[in-house]
Amino acid sequence: AQSVTQLGSHVSVSEGALVLLRCNYSSSVPPYLFWYVQYPNQGLQLLLKYTTGATLVKGINGFEAEFKKSETSFHLTKPSAHMSDAAEYFCAVTLTGANNLFFGTGTRLTVIP
Amino acid sequence: GAVVSQHPSRVICKSGTSVKIECRSLDFQATTMFWYRQFPKKSLMLMATSNEGSKATYEQGVEKDKFLINHASLTLSTLTVTSAHPEDSSFYICSAIRPVNTEAFFGQGTRLTVV
Repeated sequence: AQSVTQLGSHVSVSEGALVLLRCNYSSSVPPYLFWYVQYPNQGLQLLLKYTTGATLVKGINGFEAEFKKSETSFHLTKPSAHMSDAAEYFCAVTLTGANNLFFGTGTRLTVIP
Repeated sequence: GAVVSQHPSRVICKSGTSVKIECRSLDFQATTMFWYRQFPKKSLMLMATSNEGSKATYEQGVEKDKFLINHASLTLSTLTVTSAHPEDSSFYICSAIRPVNTEAFFGQGTRLTVV
């Protein structure tokens, strides 16, 4: 079975500061890993994903994440937070070749001006 | 990117009535769509997998007679909440799988309020 744990339901950073959102996964087989962003009352938008290959994945809006198998982690980072980054972020996992996503509980990012 | 349209975005209905939510893939054919439910301040919970031309596969604990799913065409899946009750109030989100790279695209979501 696969699962995702997001540490910290709420993260606050100052504008221009580093953003770090944590995600750890559990999977019995090589996973596909995703980060999605959700703005209020909207669906989810894919930020980035890891399937195979390079473990450092770059996504949209300046975000990136690194797959670390030894730590079973897929933390999301952005060097400099922008006010528009304020949203809910979800880490998700699926098994290789499958399409049904299992989501973490989400982290609400607040950016302080 | 690919577009998935979900309608309506908001609906308020009376307890005991039924509500239909549509999920359309606008620029690709989706043999598989998923329906999720999101509780306040909680994550998205997979409700069911909708397969074109066949019965939906429901996750454990989801009442198939209450949440009717129909995937009659390659671009449309519908979720009908039957005999709605206040506890069914939630945010429902669909996703459609684009076959070319098996990427999931999400609809905008539907906020259902049952009064």
